[in-house]
Formats: sequence, C-alpha cells, structure tokens
Amino acid sequence: EDQVTQSPEALRLQEGESSSLNCSYTVSGLRGLFWYRQDPGKGPEFLFTLYSAGEEKEKERLKATLTKKESFLHITAPKPEDSATYLCAVRGNAGNMLTFGGGTRLMVKP
Amino acid sequence: NAGVTQTPKFRILKIGQSMTLQCTQDMNHNYMYWYRQDPGMGLKLIYYSVGAGITDKGEVPNGYNVSRSTTEDFPLRLELAAPSQTSVYFCASLSADNYGYTFGSGTRLTVV
Repeated sequence: EDQVTQSPEALRLQEGESSSLNCSYTVSGLRGLFWYRQDPGKGPEFLFTLYSAGEEKEKERLKATLTKKESFLHITAPKPEDSATYLCAVRGNAGNMLTFGGGTRLMVKP
Repeated sequence: NAGVTQTPKFRILKIGQSMTLQCTQDMNHNYMYWYRQDPGMGLKLIYYSVGAGITDKGEVPNGYNVSRSTTEDFPLRLELAAPSQTSVYFCASLSADNYGYTFGSGTRLTVV
C-alpha cells in the first residue's frame, strides 16, 4: 500500500524567511511524485511532477527535489501570497490514481 | 476551457436524505476520480472510473455510489446521508500532459 507523510502539519514564516516542506513516501514502483497548492475553498492546483531521484523542478520561489524516500519543497524568500496548503502525492504501479499526504499549511506573515 | 466543473458548491443535508454531486469535464479525459477531504486528513479516494461504463471502488466507498454513462460526466450519489459524510468532495480527471490530476473546485457538504 502506498503511503505519504508530510511534515510539518503547519508552518509559520516571516516574509523573506526561507524554509522547506517535507514529503516522505513509500510506494511500489514510483511513477511520479506530485506537488499541489491548495487555497482555502478551492481545489488543488498542480505545481510539479518529479519522476526519478535527483530530479529538481523550479517555479518562481518554489523548488521541488526528489530522493528515493522523500521529496522537499523549498520556498525561497516567501511572500504572503505563498500562504496556502501544499499537498504531496505519489502514483505507484497499482494504477492511475494518486495517494495524498495530509498536507502542510503554510502561513507567511508580512 | 472549463476543465472540471462541480455542482453544487455547498449543500446541507438532513440525516437519511439523498443527493447527487455532479462532476463534468470537457477535456475528453478517460480517467476520473472522486475524493473526500477532511481537515488534516488529506484526500481519500472514494471511487474512480477508467472510462465510460467502468467504475471501481477506492479506499472509502461505503455509503456512496457512482455511474459513468458518458466520458464527460461522473456523478457521485449519497443514498442515506450520515453525519460522517460531512466533508469537502473533489472530483478530478487525469491530465495527459503532466500525468497528474485536474481538480474541480469542490462541493462542501454538511449532514445534520
């Protein structure tokens, strides 16, 4: 059974204070690790897909990295508009569905 | 380009009532999914479909039913609403370009 654990559950940062979110996973045959951003009252919005250990993807202040056991979402010099819940998910060999972690709620104070 | 559309956005049900949550996608995706999201619990898969006429159970199917008569539509049916079904429900379809999901905006359901 695929499992995803995200930490911390909540993170408060000052504007400009860089940090990282963690996603640990166990999966039978990784076919993709996904990061989503979710704003209150909205559906998750796709950020990145990573496929193999060592891969990195960047978008504005966000950078996602992947190892064989975990992924990190690095946030550099965050702004208040980066406040959201960030979800991690994996797809394994079992089929075309994603298994999600519980999310990290990020709050960036001005 | 509407993507995945869910209706209604909000609904309050009384215990024992029934309702259907609607989901429509205009991207011609074969794979569609229903998830529920409870606070701090992440997204749990209820049912999924790999194409018209084909559906299968996910992790938490009890109390729900689905049908898939067309590629576009994937409604979720609650037959006898219970307080445990109070949640936010998301429909999603599988995107071929990033191999992840495109989500609808969700339905917030409260059962009282």
